[in-house]
Amino acid sequence: GAGVSQSPSNKVTEKGKDVELRCDPISGHTALYWYRQSLGQGLEFLIYFQGNSAPDKSGLPSDRFSAERTGGSVSTLTIQRTQQEDSAVYLCASSRNTGSYGYTFGSGTRLTVV
Amino acid sequence: GESVGLHLPTLSVQEGDNSIINCAYSNSASDYFIWYKQESGKGPQFIIDIRSNMDKRQGQRVTVLLNKTVKHLSLQIAATQPGDSAVYFCAENWGAAGNKLTFGGGTRVLVKP
Repeated sequence: GAGVSQSPSNKVTEKGKDVELRCDPISGHTALYWYRQSLGQGLEFLIYFQGNSAPDKSGLPSDRFSAERTGGSVSTLTIQRTQQEDSAVYLCASSRNTGSYGYTFGSGTRLTVV
Repeated sequence: GESVGLHLPTLSVQEGDNSIINCAYSNSASDYFIWYKQESGKGPQFIIDIRSNMDKRQGQRVTVLLNKTVKHLSLQIAATQPGDSAVYFCAENWGAAGNKLTFGGGTRVLVKP
């Protein structure tokens, strides 16, 4: 596609429920990243996929968070048993390859846990 | 841990004036820096980047300066326009981090007409 597409744009969920956030990267981009942005804060790295390599999961805050990338394209970030502190904007980005740092970000999914 | 930070959380600037946004970084191994602009409700947008073997890089109305001696990065916006109102983030990368970027906390720029 023309840009990085994320869905849903907004998600309100009850504490304890599981949520799935979707990211559709730019066609041909082999690297995909998930970041989290809390209100008024900078971006916090979560996980990074590059081609068929094992993902870098070093930023995932707990084992309630997981992500997968199917077929080297679409990615899903799953948060199990959501907590109020999970409320944030979850941003996905993609880049052409490992040598390209100028990510293209999606508009994010705003997650609110009530 | 090492991180990127910003001196000024909010910057108000008169339309037409120049803006300077500052960023301090603490990881001396960082060798690549990027400035992003984030408008309300949107994801960050790449503005300009610079590698550590450079001191200055210019783009369209923007200039990034890197002072490795004091670990300082700045973004200069010439003739600031209302469309420049946004939050600006600096980000750093170092080789051992792979493709991960470490972002600063952001500076909000408000352009007054």
